[in-house]
Amino acid sequence: SQTIHQWPATLVQPVGSPLSLECTVEGTSNPNLYWYRQAAGRGLQLLFYSVGIGQISSEVPQNLSASRPQDRQFILSSKKLLLSDSGFYLCAWSVRDQPQHFGDGTRLSIL
Amino acid sequence: AQSVTQPDIHITVSEGASLELRCNYSYGATPYLFWYVQSPGQGLQLLLKYFSGDTLVQGIKGFEAEFKRSQSSFNLRKPSVHWSDAAEYFCAVGRYSGGGADGLTFGKGTHLIIQP
Repeated sequence: SQTIHQWPATLVQPVGSPLSLECTVEGTSNPNLYWYRQAAGRGLQLLFYSVGIGQISSEVPQNLSASRPQDRQFILSSKKLLLSDSGFYLCAWSVRDQPQHFGDGTRLSIL
Repeated sequence: AQSVTQPDIHITVSEGASLELRCNYSYGATPYLFWYVQSPGQGLQLLLKYFSGDTLVQGIKGFEAEFKRSQSSFNLRKPSVHWSDAAEYFCAVGRYSGGGADGLTFGKGTHLIIQP
């Protein structure tokens, strides 16, 4: 069966520090991968989408970037965090015509 | 552009009572529709989906939803709620069944509170 892992579960970072969140999927090949951000009291906002290694689409201009160095690995990064980057970050995967499945998320707090 | 409206931010229901969570969407073609549930500090779990065919779809945990094209709605229902149903519920719409290039568009969620 397929599983998705995100880490870390929680992260507290100072403003201006770099960021690296990792997501890996097991049990499937060539999944579509997604990064969403969930701000307090709001729904989920799609940040990045990837259909394959090295192929990244960005949905909104922002202080973040994403990379897909391996088929089942998706990384969310920033060179310098802003206060507005705080939130709950969720990774998701899907294949062909199946719905998206989500990881357990990373709670990011910026101080 | 597609959009999803969940008009109820909070809903309080007594344990054992019936539940209906509202969802309205805006989309130019036949959408793919989803309901997800999120427990505090957790990721999203898929409850059910509508792709095509029968407009009444059954999901996990005793939930069902009905697609009404004329009303652009996809309301979630459960005949008798349990205390464990307390969570945040999200309705979502997509152009493709797996989300595709646009991902999914989510509503802002409805927080369900269960009274003993």
